[in-house]
Amino acid sequence: GQNIDQPTEMTATEGAIVQINCTYQTSGFNGLFWYQQHAGEAPTFLSYNVLDGLEEKGRFSSFLSRSKGYSYLLLKELQMKDSASYLCAVNSLGHNAGNNRKLIWGLGTSLAVNP
Amino acid sequence: DAEITQSPRHKITETGRQVTLACHQTWNHNNMFWYRQDLGHGLRLIHYSYGVHDTNKGEVSDGYSVSRSNTEDLPLTLESAASSQTSVYFCASKDGFSGNTIYFGEGSWLTVV
Repeated sequence: GQNIDQPTEMTATEGAIVQINCTYQTSGFNGLFWYQQHAGEAPTFLSYNVLDGLEEKGRFSSFLSRSKGYSYLLLKELQMKDSASYLCAVNSLGHNAGNNRKLIWGLGTSLAVNP
Repeated sequence: DAEITQSPRHKITETGRQVTLACHQTWNHNNMFWYRQDLGHGLRLIHYSYGVHDTNKGEVSDGYSVSRSNTEDLPLTLESAASSQTSVYFCASKDGFSGNTIYFGEGSWLTVV
């Protein structure tokens, strides 16, 4: 089967660094996404990794290791507004370019940032 | 600015009624999707479309239908609403030719009583 595992909940302190892990087992791989979702709102795009390594974008970075089926999202200098759910999603292989039929979603990690 | 909008944002309906949730995007994206999101299940794909007159079933399509008569719109119809269809519904779109990222609408909260 295909599945994605993420911790259900995490807690961190304002100003700190937090790492949210995601492991996946899919029938193929064509990229991994991270989305942020605030309570009562839609998911919004954070990052996309298709090659191994670290992608940095401001306070947020995302890492991918395809051989290990592993990714993490690193949030630095945490702010209260970073309290949200973080969704990991894998685009499995075997479909046309631009095809999201096999976008496999994790259940999300609920991050609480405390003062 | 280009965007993706859903309506209604909130609706309460009775069991057995037909309900249609509208989705409209102005990005000219050819790929459009409908998801539902429930606690413990995450995002689940209901239906999707790769272009005008194209529709496909997702993993939880029973009881739902869609139609794609133009690029901008993908309405989702619940033919006979059931309490199990109480959920938040997200429409999403993507440029199937040049992009990998999907963009979500604000969501429609549906309660079936």
